[in-house]
Amino acid sequence: QKEVEQNSGPLSVPEGAIASLNCTYSDRGSQSFFWYRQYSGKSPELIMSIYSNGDKEDGRFTAQLNKASQYVSLLIRDSQPSDSATYLCAVNSGGYQKVTFGTGTKLQVIP
Amino acid sequence: DTAVSQTPKYLVTQMGNDKSIKCEQNLGHDTMYWYKQDSKKFLKIMFSYNNKELIINETVPNRFSPKSPDKAHLNLHINSLELGDSAVYFCASSPPGLAGINEQFFGPGTRLTVL
Repeated sequence: QKEVEQNSGPLSVPEGAIASLNCTYSDRGSQSFFWYRQYSGKSPELIMSIYSNGDKEDGRFTAQLNKASQYVSLLIRDSQPSDSATYLCAVNSGGYQKVTFGTGTKLQVIP
Repeated sequence: DTAVSQTPKYLVTQMGNDKSIKCEQNLGHDTMYWYKQDSKKFLKIMFSYNNKELIINETVPNRFSPKSPDKAHLNLHINSLELGDSAVYFCASSPPGLAGINEQFFGPGTRLTVL
């Protein structure tokens, strides 16, 4: 069983719509959860972090965490073509300073 | 500019050669990492150092040897390169903080191609 699972996509949404990206993780002891964005040929860039159950909003991005269901999601409102990228879910699985990444979901925003 | 930097950006070499990749961060972070991203884009941790001490050593062939001369630098030396080593290698760093809370900042990557 993979430690951090994401649907590889591609997830296609029209411009202006809400993109919903999902991630599940296997270690119930996980404490920290991150979303990274990676454009093609570039390095991952942190866009959201969340540590407690519930929602966390930052601009057009909302991260949602449900530890009971071992589920974390990222919502992107008013999606723009510039949001087209691969989104990596990352989870700190309790090991000191160790973060495990999912395989990423490719998002395509269609103008 | 404050950043994580890596050199070289591209590395093309023959099988069997030995090569090194250098990483430097001027963010004042205590922890540095090496990741390998394969052709399927899976990002996998290889090593992590905290204040020059090795803290994470995943299942990596011992042809790969990290070295941290100080907490701002983490280099990766690879001996006897193989075709399967072709990938993008990312260096990253994270600030000190409570265990389990470690947002990571990535360098631009080094694309290694072994012929």
